[in-house]
Order: sequence, then C-alpha cells, then structure tokens
Amino acid sequence: GENVEQHPSTLSVQEGDSAVIKCTYSDSASNYFPWYKQELGKGPQLIIDIRSNVGEKKDQRIAVTLNKTAKHFSLHITETQPEDSAVYFCAASRVQAGTALIFGKGTTLSVSS
Amino acid sequence: DVKVTQSSRYLVKRTGEKVFLECVQDMDHENMFWYRQDPGLGLRLIYFSYDVKMKEKGDIPEGYSVSREKKERFSLILESASTNQTSMYLCATSRGYYEQYFGPGTRLTVT
Repeated sequence: GENVEQHPSTLSVQEGDSAVIKCTYSDSASNYFPWYKQELGKGPQLIIDIRSNVGEKKDQRIAVTLNKTAKHFSLHITETQPEDSAVYFCAASRVQAGTALIFGKGTTLSVSS
Repeated sequence: DVKVTQSSRYLVKRTGEKVFLECVQDMDHENMFWYRQDPGLGLRLIYFSYDVKMKEKGDIPEGYSVSREKKERFSLILESASTNQTSMYLCATSRGYYEQYFGPGTRLTVT
C-alpha cells in the first residue's frame, strides 16, 4: 500500500527565514497531494494542495512543488512568522472511489521571534 | 463554514468498557473518516464511510467498529477499551475526493 515519508520531524527557524518540509510517496498512481496545518488544540486544516498535472502551486507565502518522477513533494514557507508555528502534515492519495488520504508523520515547526 | 463536532473533547474510560465517540457534520458531506493521532506516528486512518450504512477499513481497524445510520453522523465504537487505545481521535468529512474538514478531536484516556 501507499507509504508517505515526511522530513524533518522537527524544524526550528528564526522569524523571517524560510522553512522547507519534504515528503516522498511510494504509490506512483497517487495524483493528489495536500498539506495540512494543525494548531495546538485544533484539528488539521488544509492550507494548500497540488494535483499531479502541475509541478508547482503558490499561495502568498506558501508554495508546494511536486516531482512525479522522483515521487516527492515539498512545502515551502517564506518570511516565516510566529503564527506559522504548528504541526504540518503532508498526504497523498489516488483520486478514486474507495481510497483515502495517507498522511506523513508530521513536522513540528517552531518560529522564534 | 463547515462544522464538524465531536461529542467530547476529553474522555476517561476504564479498561474493558464499551466506548462511543460521536461525530456530527452539518454540510451534507457524503464522506466521513475516523483517525487516531499519536506522537511520532501522525494520523492513521481507522475507518471511513462513503455513504450511509457503508464502511471501509482503514489502516488500523483492529479493536474498533463504526456505525453510520444517518448521513450526518459517524460513530466510532471501542467494543472493549484497552490502554493501548489511549489516543487523540479525529473525525473528518469531505465532499468528493479532496479537502477534508476535521473536528477538534477527542482525547481518550483508558485506565
């Protein structure tokens, strides 16, 4: 079955620096790759996603890149702020009936001011 | 806004008890999911449902069952709670195959 590896497990940056989180997946048929942010005491929330027909997607300070050949995708956060501190999860899935998202183990991002 | 509510934020149960965790959504989403979240292990799928009275096993269904009698409600059942089921339980819903909306979670402690 699908397996998603996520690195690093923890990441500490200074405010204003960039942060990069990387994920690899095993199922070459996967074609949907979302990223979720989980703040303390809350459930995860979708922040950006990418489908396999594009290589990059950007939304203000966050961007996701996808390399289907290498089966890896990355989250990039620029100009980090203290409110970016949270746990981030990547996930992958085939978009078809009977399948579900497979999540990575998460990255705890700490942004210090 | 999508609202996903879970019956309890914190729950303490004894070993061997039958435990019900309830999830209710108000957006008429056809898909509902139950995950457990443990430190260092991320989110692991227990069961999911694509329609009323329909269920599919996820990655870790052992020791759990589910019930979906109405579209808006998805229940997770621990038939005989054990200490290794102490965890955070998260419910999620989606329309179609894409964005999932999560509830706030239930932190279950089994003693």
